[in-house]
Amino acid sequence: AQSVSQHNHHVILSEAASLELGCNYSYGGTVNLFWYVQYPGQHLQLLLKYFSGDPLVKGIKGFEAEFIKSKFSFNLRKPSVQWSDTAEYFCAVNPYNTDKLIFGTGTRLQVFP
Amino acid sequence: DADVTQTPRNRITKTGKRIMLECSQTKGHDRMYWYRQDPGLGLRLIYYSFDVKDINKGEISDGYSVSRQAQAKFSLSLESAIPNQTALYFCATSAGGLGEAFFGQGTRLTVV
Repeated sequence: AQSVSQHNHHVILSEAASLELGCNYSYGGTVNLFWYVQYPGQHLQLLLKYFSGDPLVKGIKGFEAEFIKSKFSFNLRKPSVQWSDTAEYFCAVNPYNTDKLIFGTGTRLQVFP
Repeated sequence: DADVTQTPRNRITKTGKRIMLECSQTKGHDRMYWYRQDPGLGLRLIYYSFDVKDINKGEISDGYSVSRQAQAKFSLSLESAIPNQTALYFCATSAGGLGEAFFGQGTRLTVV
């Protein structure tokens, strides 16, 4: 079955630390890839997306993600986190030519000042 | 105003009761979705609809039903609520074929 794995369930960092959250998917065909963020008490918002082209994509708030096709991965990075980045982060995969968006289980990020 | 609006935002109901969660959107998207979010499980797809006449089951449709009353409205019903349906429910929309989804604020449902 198609699945999305986020191996980091809970990450705790101090401000200014670097962040990398892992995302791997099991679908073998062409995919569109997304990272969503959910701030406490809020709905999911799109952080960044990859459809095609440059595998390094930049999103809002200094986040970026790299698509590595050979590894079926789409890891999220930020060089220096802020307290306001405290949130839950979800990786999602849209298999090409389908209308399904398959989510990972999420990674809870806590950033301490 | 929010592009995707869910009502109610919070609801407590008793086991065995019927409850409907409503979703409306102003984005003009044809695709609409219902997800539930549980701690540690992420978001799981309940039902999705491509247009008024096209309704599809997601991965966890048992115990739920939906109605697409219009392009802009998609409601989720629990015919006989049970405690393990306690969760945060999200409605989402997308334009066809792009995958990018826009979410409502969520409905926190508690079944006691």
